Amino acid sequence: GAGVSQTPSNKVTEKGKYVELRCDPISGHTALYWYRQSLGQGPEFLIYFQGTGAADDSGLPNDRFFAVRPEGSVSTLKIQRTERGDSAVYLCASSASGTWGETQYFGPGTRLLVL
Amino acid sequence: KQEVTQIPAALSVPEGENLVLNCSFTDSAIYNLQWFRQDPGKGLTSLLLIQSSQREQTSGRLNASLDKSSGRSTLYIAASQPGDSATYLCAVRDNYGQNFVFGPGTRLSVLP
Repeated sequence: GAGVSQTPSNKVTEKGKYVELRCDPISGHTALYWYRQSLGQGPEFLIYFQGTGAADDSGLPNDRFFAVRPEGSVSTLKIQRTERGDSAVYLCASSASGTWGETQYFGPGTRLLVL
Repeated sequence: KQEVTQIPAALSVPEGENLVLNCSFTDSAIYNLQWFRQDPGKGLTSLLLIQSSQREQTSGRLNASLDKSSGRSTLYIAASQPGDSATYLCAVRDNYGQNFVFGPGTRLSVLP
C-alpha cells in the first residue's frame, strides 16, 4: 500500500474487555514497530518485529499485552482485561529492513478509550 | 536509560518569524536522531533524519543540527507559516535497540 494503515481508527471499550488493534505496514517492509502515545507525551516503544518474529518486546508493559505478525506483514496488537490506564493512541510504524540508519514510517494510529 | 526532553513545551509565534526548537538527550551513544511532525489526530511525518556522524541536515525551510557530545539537537524553521502549526517530536535511536526514544514534543502555533 501507499502507507502504513491502522484499524480501527477509534475504539471504545469497557474495562475488562479484550481488544485487537491491526496494523498494515508498507508493502515489502520487513520491520514493524508498535508504540503507545499518551496525551501530551511522545510515543513509547512497545515491540519490534523483524519478519514474523518479535525481535524486541521489552516495551510491553505487562503480560496483558501481546502482539503477533504470523505472515510477516499484517500485525495485531492484543490487549486482554483492558484497564482505564490503557487508554492512549497506539501507533504502528514500519521500515524497509530494520537496519540502523532507516527511517520509520508511521500510521495514523488507533485511539483507544477504556471506560 | 535514554531520556529525551524538549524545550519549550509550547511556542506561539507570528507568521514570518524564524524559530528554534530544542531537543536534549541523556546518553550520547546514539545511532541517529530524527525530527517528526504530528498534526492533531494524525500519525507522525518524518522531517529530517541525522546520522550520528553528521552535524546537520536541511530540507527546504527546515534545518536540524546535532551535537552528539553535548546531547543536543535543534530544529530551525525559517520564515514560519500557519501551516507549520503542529507538534514537533524529536526521537533518538541509540546503539542498544531498534526502537526510537521520543521526547514529549513542542506544540507550535504560527499565527497569521
